[in-house]
Amino acid sequence: SAVISQKPSRDICQRGTSLTIQCQVDSQVTMMFWYRQQPGQSLTLIATANQGSEATYESGFVIDKFPISRPNLTFSTLTVSNMSPEDSSIYLCSVTRQGAAETQYFGPGTRLLVL
Amino acid sequence: QKEVEQNSGPLSVPEGAIASLNCTYSDRGSQSFFWYRQYSGKSPELIMFIYSNGDKEDGRFTAQLNKASQYVSLLIRDSQPSDSATYLCAVNIQGGSEKLVFGKGTKLTVNP
Repeated sequence: SAVISQKPSRDICQRGTSLTIQCQVDSQVTMMFWYRQQPGQSLTLIATANQGSEATYESGFVIDKFPISRPNLTFSTLTVSNMSPEDSSIYLCSVTRQGAAETQYFGPGTRLLVL
Repeated sequence: QKEVEQNSGPLSVPEGAIASLNCTYSDRGSQSFFWYRQYSGKSPELIMFIYSNGDKEDGRFTAQLNKASQYVSLLIRDSQPSDSATYLCAVNIQGGSEKLVFGKGTKLTVNP
């Protein structure tokens, strides 16, 4: 498995502000994904982070609200923009590695509380 | 809409018993199936994956897949209190660029 880190691990933010979450992997990976897990719920895929190009968003998620970057094979960021209390959630990045297609490994998550 | 269904539980078993967790999926084209364990306050941790019909064993864990019935299960033998967690079933999306759809999870409690 890959060693995945996320920063920050948690944050408390005011509504209307934005937060950028970083995901760093210790080795090159093929796919990187961003998920949201609301309290007591399962994982919802936000988008696939594509290296060097625009992310692919799932239904219900838009680039203006969740801009994503992936400048190289080991790093991605997710920004939660113009936050509201409904954005309070855990945000998780996951990765797949070459030769282990579809097997996703998760980072430790970022716990976000919006007041 | 691709769906993955799990009994939300909670499922409670005594220590040493077999815990049986079940999952059904809607996409007949799905080929890859995963079980993740998530402790409270932690991120999901991969336990097992299975691609072929039948059973796959890894230590105390056995995954069972029946594609005809669109059913996948996870058995935990000799359950321990440390197995108490939420178990998430995930299924790949056919043609979905390695994307997974997750069930809502089954909360398992193993009582000492």
